[in-house]
Amino acid sequence: GQNIDQPTEMTATEGAIVQINCTYQTSGFNGLFWYQQHAGEAPTFLSYNVLDGLEEKGRFSSFLSRSKGYSYLLLKELQMKDSASYLCAVMDSNYQLIWGAGTKLIIKP
Amino acid sequence: DAGITQSPRHKVTETGTPVTLRCHQTENHRYMYWYRQDPGHGLRLIHYSYGVKDTDKGEVSDGYSVSRSKTEDFLLTLESATSSQTSVYFCAISEGLADTDTQYFGPGTRLTVL
Repeated sequence: GQNIDQPTEMTATEGAIVQINCTYQTSGFNGLFWYQQHAGEAPTFLSYNVLDGLEEKGRFSSFLSRSKGYSYLLLKELQMKDSASYLCAVMDSNYQLIWGAGTKLIIKP
Repeated sequence: DAGITQSPRHKVTETGTPVTLRCHQTENHRYMYWYRQDPGHGLRLIHYSYGVKDTDKGEVSDGYSVSRSKTEDFLLTLESATSSQTSVYFCAISEGLADTDTQYFGPGTRLTVL
C-alpha cells in the first residue's frame, strides 16, 4: 500500500529552527509537496521537490532524497504565525496526491 | 490566491437527507477535486474531474457522486447522508500540468450529519 509518515506534533521556540520529516512509500513518484494549514483554514502551497536536493524559499527550505523515500521541511527564524499544521504529499504514478496526516507545529515564545 | 469558493461554508443536516456542496472557480483550471479531511487522516480524495462531464473516482468515493456541467463548477452530492460523512470537505483546482501540477484549495465546508 501507499504510505506517508510524518510526526503528529512538534514544539519549537520562537526564533529557533525546526525540521519536519516526511517518509514515503508510494507506487511511483512524480514529486513531493509541502503545504501549510492554519487551524480552520485551507491548505496553502509551500514547496515542490522532484529532484534530490534542497530547495530554498525565504525562511522555508525543503529537501528531498528519492533513494531514501525521505523529505524534510526546514523552518528558520520561527515566528508565532508559523504555528500551523504542515502537510506532506507525494504525487504517485497516476499523478494522484497521497497525503500524510500532517504535523502540528506549536511555537512557544 | 486562486479564485475558489465553496458553498455552503457550514451545514448541519440529518441522516438520510441529500446534501449538495458546490465548488466554484474563476481560474479556468482544467482539474477539480473533492477531498475530505478528518482528524488523524490525511486529505482523502473523493472524486475528481479532468474536464466538463469528465469525472473519476478517488480513494473514498462510496456514498458520493459528482457532476461538472461547466468548467467553473464542480458539485459534490451525498445522496443519503450518514454520520460517517461528518467531515470538512475541501475543493481543489489545478491546471493539469502533470508532474508540476500544484493544487490550490478552497476555504472548505464543514458538514455535520446528525
